[in-house]
Amino acid sequence: GAVVSQHPSRVICKSGTSVKIECRSLDFQATTMFWYRQFPKQSLMLMATSNEGSKATYEQGVEKDKFLINHASLTLSTLTVTSAHPEDSSFYICSASGGAGKLFFGSGTQLSVL
Amino acid sequence: AQSVTQLGSHVSVSEGALVLLRCNYSSSVPPYLFWYVQYPNQGLQLLLKYTSAATLVKGINGFEAEFKKSETSFHLTKPSAHMSDAAEYFCAVASEGGYQKVTFGTGTKLQVIP
Repeated sequence: GAVVSQHPSRVICKSGTSVKIECRSLDFQATTMFWYRQFPKQSLMLMATSNEGSKATYEQGVEKDKFLINHASLTLSTLTVTSAHPEDSSFYICSASGGAGKLFFGSGTQLSVL
Repeated sequence: AQSVTQLGSHVSVSEGALVLLRCNYSSSVPPYLFWYVQYPNQGLQLLLKYTSAATLVKGINGFEAEFKKSETSFHLTKPSAHMSDAAEYFCAVASEGGYQKVTFGTGTKLQVIP
């Protein structure tokens, strides 16, 4: 089946630095990718919808200048957490639309900001 | 608008016992419904999905779910729990028109007691 690769799986960074997370669709083209955040003991919350070649659509309450999303190709979307702070520590997960009602998830990235 | 309510954040069953995880949904249009499983430090894996075909949906690992429109429910069941079923389970809903935009429930952590 279709595979979505998310990298890195775990990252620890200092407060104030930026972190980039990559999401790749390995065997299909994904015109749309989604980014979610999951806090401990909570559900996944949609942060933004990323469309190839256009600006991402952010959900209410998500700072677009803090969470930069780039979807430069049909197989790659990146999420950059800029000037990360401890409150940004969370589990981030992407998904990619494979068409025909199919949605595939990456394995997630655990971000810890010290 | 769409939403999902999962009753019970924690469920414990004995190995070999019936697993029943409850999910109720709200959607203004015919829904697509999903159950996902998340193992520790991993991404989401699709267990099964309902997309307006048969109301009883069979998924992987012996799980199944029944769509009941009159009760707006999509409960997940498995006749006999196995230790490897211990994980967190998320029910999710997507509208037919925007099926790719998925709303997740808060999750139910399943504990299997030997």
